Amino acid sequence: AQSVTQPDIHITVSEGASLELRCNYSYGATPYLFWYVQSPGQGLQLLLKYFSGDTLVQGIKGFEAEFKRSQSSFNLRKPSVHWSDAAEYFCAVGAVTNAGKSTFGDGTTLTVKP
Amino acid sequence: GAGVSQSPRYKVAKRGQDVALRCDPISGHVSLFWYQQALGQGPEFLTYFQNEAQLDKSGLPSDRFFAERPEGSVSTLKIQRTQQEDSAVYLCASSLAERTVSYEQYFGPGTRLTVT
Repeated sequence: AQSVTQPDIHITVSEGASLELRCNYSYGATPYLFWYVQSPGQGLQLLLKYFSGDTLVQGIKGFEAEFKRSQSSFNLRKPSVHWSDAAEYFCAVGAVTNAGKSTFGDGTTLTVKP
Repeated sequence: GAGVSQSPRYKVAKRGQDVALRCDPISGHVSLFWYQQALGQGPEFLTYFQNEAQLDKSGLPSDRFFAERPEGSVSTLKIQRTQQEDSAVYLCASSLAERTVSYEQYFGPGTRLTVT
């Protein structure tokens, strides 16, 4: 069975500081991996995805993530956080052969200090 | 064009009532997913449609939950005899691709259901 762990429930960073959100997954084959952002009252927005190829993936809003198979990780990074990045972030793993349904982590809430 | 829309955005139901939640996917999207998101948790898969066919309903928590997509576009998630544990945000997502192709899901804003 596939699963996702986001070890940090809540992270606070200062505006302009760098950010790394951790994600560990469990999946029996090559996973499809995603990061989504959810602002209050909004649906999930896809930040970036990894299917294959280059293990460093660039996304929207200046985010990037690195797939490390040996560590079963897909951590999200941003070099300089903006106040508007405050939101909840979800990592998800998808199965190619299983209706494309995704398994999500429980999320990390990001607070940005001025 | 328009994104995925869901209605109502908020629903309060008394325990035992039936509710119907609607999802309008992006026009032309083949795949449609329903997720349940409990407070403080990530979304959990409920069911999947490819056009009008419900190909996976393994995530539906009980036989009180029923989903349909009769014409392959709009979908309705129905919950009968609601219970307090049904309180959650129900998210709908659609995707252009069929299930075995690289896909991106587009999510609606969700319906927050509160059962009192």
